[in-house]
Amino acid sequence: NAGVTQTPKFQVLKTGQSMTLQCAQDMNHNSMYWYRQDPGMGLRLIYYSASEGTTDKGEVPNGYNVSRLNKREFSLRLESAAPSQTSVYFCASSALDGTDYSSGNTIYFGEGSWLTVV
Amino acid sequence: GENVEQHPSTLSVQEGDSAVIKCTYSDSASNYFPWYKQELGKRPQLIIDIRSNVGEKKDQRIAVTLNKTAKHFSLHITETQPEDSAVYFCLTTSGTYKYIFGTGTRLKVLA
Repeated sequence: NAGVTQTPKFQVLKTGQSMTLQCAQDMNHNSMYWYRQDPGMGLRLIYYSASEGTTDKGEVPNGYNVSRLNKREFSLRLESAAPSQTSVYFCASSALDGTDYSSGNTIYFGEGSWLTVV
Repeated sequence: GENVEQHPSTLSVQEGDSAVIKCTYSDSASNYFPWYKQELGKRPQLIIDIRSNVGEKKDQRIAVTLNKTAKHFSLHITETQPEDSAVYFCLTTSGTYKYIFGTGTRLKVLA
């Protein structure tokens, strides 16, 4: 039981390049999330998927796209990377049923992906 | 939109003293209030959580208290140790964004 697995762990991109961050969870969770964390800062929600087949924008969605490929996998794509997207990206999942967010369920995080855009 | 305010942003305490971190939220529908600890270079990990049907929960040296009327909840760490040094985040639900994090508190325990 690996939990939440994300790849790659480290990546350096040139401005304008594209890339996809991959995330998979093996806990049969309904909800999945992508957060970014800038140095010394908190976590900001980029996109989330409350259930398979649905995705919604979070606090900072500009410059990103996501795909909920199936219940296990949720990918984040940068179409044209910019230096402002240099950050640590965390994928996360929870058993949360998207129809009842207020009940709450533990969020489990992947180990993070360190992305530098030069 | 919904937000959560976390204070203080930094906190230094002497080893053995207590530390208290507070979060204030705005979504009155929130029913779940967890706290996460993030060590340098690592992922955030849940350390304690509380649901709105209780006012306090304790797990050894850490405790969380909730005041739903005032819409705030607090993390209490007693008998602090150097390994408690980390960044602590509260989390709350949002009508728009599901889960959003507080801005974090950098706790430093001085030996």
